[in-house]
Amino acid sequence: AQSVTQLGSHVSVSEGALVLLRCNYSSSVPPYLFWYVQYPNQGLQLLLKYTSAATLVKGINGFEAEFKKSETSFHLTKPSAHMSDAAEYFCAVSSSSASKIIFGSGTRLSIRP
Amino acid sequence: KAGVTQTPRYLIKTRGQQVTLSCSPISGHRSVSWYQQTPGQGLQFLFEYFSETQRNKGNFPGRFSGRQFSNSRSEMNVSTLELGDSALYLCASSLVRDRQNIQYFGAGTRLSVL
Repeated sequence: AQSVTQLGSHVSVSEGALVLLRCNYSSSVPPYLFWYVQYPNQGLQLLLKYTSAATLVKGINGFEAEFKKSETSFHLTKPSAHMSDAAEYFCAVSSSSASKIIFGSGTRLSIRP
Repeated sequence: KAGVTQTPRYLIKTRGQQVTLSCSPISGHRSVSWYQQTPGQGLQFLFEYFSETQRNKGNFPGRFSGRQFSNSRSEMNVSTLELGDSALYLCASSLVRDRQNIQYFGAGTRLSVL
């Protein structure tokens, strides 16, 4: 079975500060891991994905995430937050043998001016 | 290439009614998944269709059903609506040949049950 835990339902940072959104996963098979972003009244947009290639994954809008197998983590970071980054972020896990994706409960990111 | 299209965007129904939501996947995508999103339960998987067959199903009552047509378009139906069915319903399509299982989401249909 697979599962995802996102630590912190709400994270608030100042504009220009580091963004760190935490995600831990559980999977009995090699996982595929994803981060999605959802803006108000919109669907989910893929930010980045890990599919067993490089452990440091770069995504859109300056975000990146590092896969750490020993810590079963896939935390999302961005060096400098912009006001436009305010949204809800979802971590998700899947596998090559599974056709469905399991989502975490989401983290709402707020940016302070 | 057009994205995933969901219609309608907003819907208001009353308890006991039924509703049908529509999803047109990205051209060439043969897998369509449906999710329910609520503030309390988050994103919950409803079901997935591939080649007109239901391939996976989440833990929802039988009032929730779906189907997929030969052109990969999918519909989701909810019968005997309850207040708790108020939610954002998201559809996602994926390219099955892509074993990375990347799903592309539509903007959703927001259903309000009064």
